[in-house]
Amino acid sequence: QVQLVQSGAEVKKPGASVKVSCKASGYTFISYDIIWVRQATGQGLEWMGWMNPNSDTTAYAQAFQDRVTMTRDTSKNTAYMELTSLTSEDTAVYYCARVVVRGYCNAGSCYTGWFDPWGQGTLVTVSS
Amino acid sequence: QSVLTQSPSASGTPGQRVTISCSGSSSNIGTYTVNWYQQLPGTAPKLLIYTNDQRPSGVPDRFSGSKSGTSASLAISGLQSEDEADYYCAAWDASLNVVVFGGGTKLTVL
Repeated sequence: QVQLVQSGAEVKKPGASVKVSCKASGYTFISYDIIWVRQATGQGLEWMGWMNPNSDTTAYAQAFQDRVTMTRDTSKNTAYMELTSLTSEDTAVYYCARVVVRGYCNAGSCYTGWFDPWGQGTLVTVSS
Repeated sequence: QSVLTQSPSASGTPGQRVTISCSGSSSNIGTYTVNWYQQLPGTAPKLLIYTNDQRPSGVPDRFSGSKSGTSASLAISGLQSEDEADYYCAAWDASLNVVVFGGGTKLTVL
C-alpha cells in the first residue's frame, strides 16, 4: 500500500538545524510531488512548501523561505526537509504528504491540490 | 490566526447530523476548490473530501462537502463515536501562494 514513513523525534538546541526524512513506498516516488506541513502542539496545520522529486523543483512558503530546504534521494525513494536557525517557535510535529493531484486552473475553474497519504509525523522539540 | 475561519468546536449525539463551516475570501475559497482533512487523536491528518464534494475511496458516504461563494461546509450524518476528531479545511490562496488551512474544528460526540 502507499505509505510514507518519517524519521524519529528530534531534540535540538536553539540555533541548530534539523533534517527530517520521509521514505515513500508502494508507488513510483518520482511521479508525485511531496509537501511538508507542520503542526505546533494544540495548533492548526501550516503549509511549508512543495517539492517535485522528478525535477527537483521546489517552492517554499514565504514564512520559511530563508530557512527551509527540501531535497530528495531518488535512489532511496526518500524526501528530506531541513530547517535551520531553529527557535522554540519551531517546536512542532512535521508531516510530509504525497500530492495526489497538483493544484491547477482549467477552463475557468481552479483546483486546490490534495494530499494523501500523510506520514506519521516527526516531533521536533527545540529547547535549551 | 488562520486565513480560513472555522468554529473551534462542534458537537452532536450519535446518529445526529452535524455541519462544520469554513469561511475564506475571494483569493482562496472564492477561487479555488476546498479539501477537508480528518485528524483522529494522536494521528496524522487523513484526506476526507477533495474538490469541494468528492470522497476518496474508503470514506463513508456519511461525509459530504459543499461550497458556496467564499464558504465551504462539511456535513457528517449518522454521527458515530469514531467520528470524534479534528477537521480542517484547506484551499490554495492566490495572494499568499500557499495552501491555507482553517484553524480546525474539534468534533465531540456526546
